[in-house]
Amino acid sequence: AQSVAQPEDQVNVAEGNPLTVKCTYSVSGNPYLFWYVQYPNRGLQFLLKYITGDNLVKGSYGFEAEFNKSQTSFHLKKPSALVSDSALYFCAVRADNYGQNFVFGPGTRLSVLP
Amino acid sequence: NAGVTQTPKFQVLKTGQSMTLQCAQDMNHNSMYWYRQDPGMGLRLIYYSASEGTTDKGEVPNGYNVSRLNKREFSLRLESAAPSQTSVYFCASQGDRSFPTEAFFGQGTRLTVV
Repeated sequence: AQSVAQPEDQVNVAEGNPLTVKCTYSVSGNPYLFWYVQYPNRGLQFLLKYITGDNLVKGSYGFEAEFNKSQTSFHLKKPSALVSDSALYFCAVRADNYGQNFVFGPGTRLSVLP
Repeated sequence: NAGVTQTPKFQVLKTGQSMTLQCAQDMNHNSMYWYRQDPGMGLRLIYYSASEGTTDKGEVPNGYNVSRLNKREFSLRLESAAPSQTSVYFCASQGDRSFPTEAFFGQGTRLTVV
């Protein structure tokens, strides 16, 4: 079975400081990993994904994520947070087996304080 | 470029009433999904359609039915709404679920059952 954990319901960070939103996963086989962001009253927007290759993945809006196979983690990072980054962030995983569905984590609310 | 369009955006139903949520995508995607989003639970898959003419149950299908009307459209029907179905519903599409591509989401339907 596949599962995703986002251990923090809420992350607060000051504008200009680095931010990290944590994600750990469990999957049978190799993982495909995704990060999405949801702004209020909007759908989910794709940020970045890890499929294979370099463990550091760069995505939209200056975000990046690091895949760590030994720790089964895929933490989202940004060197300098903006107030406009405040939103709900979802990590998702699916196995590389044929026909698997996405499994989403519960979400982490990021608040960037001016 | 519309992407994934859901209608309606908001709906209030009385217990026992029925309704259909509509979803259409203009990206020529094969796979489409219906999710529900509840606080602290992330997104849970209700039904999916791997390709035109096929539908399958997801994690929480009870109380719902779906129709893949054609390649563009995938509707979700509540035959007899219950308060437990109060949620935000998202439709998503993906090029082909055989491949590790990201999904694209609609803006959601906020449904309240009283």
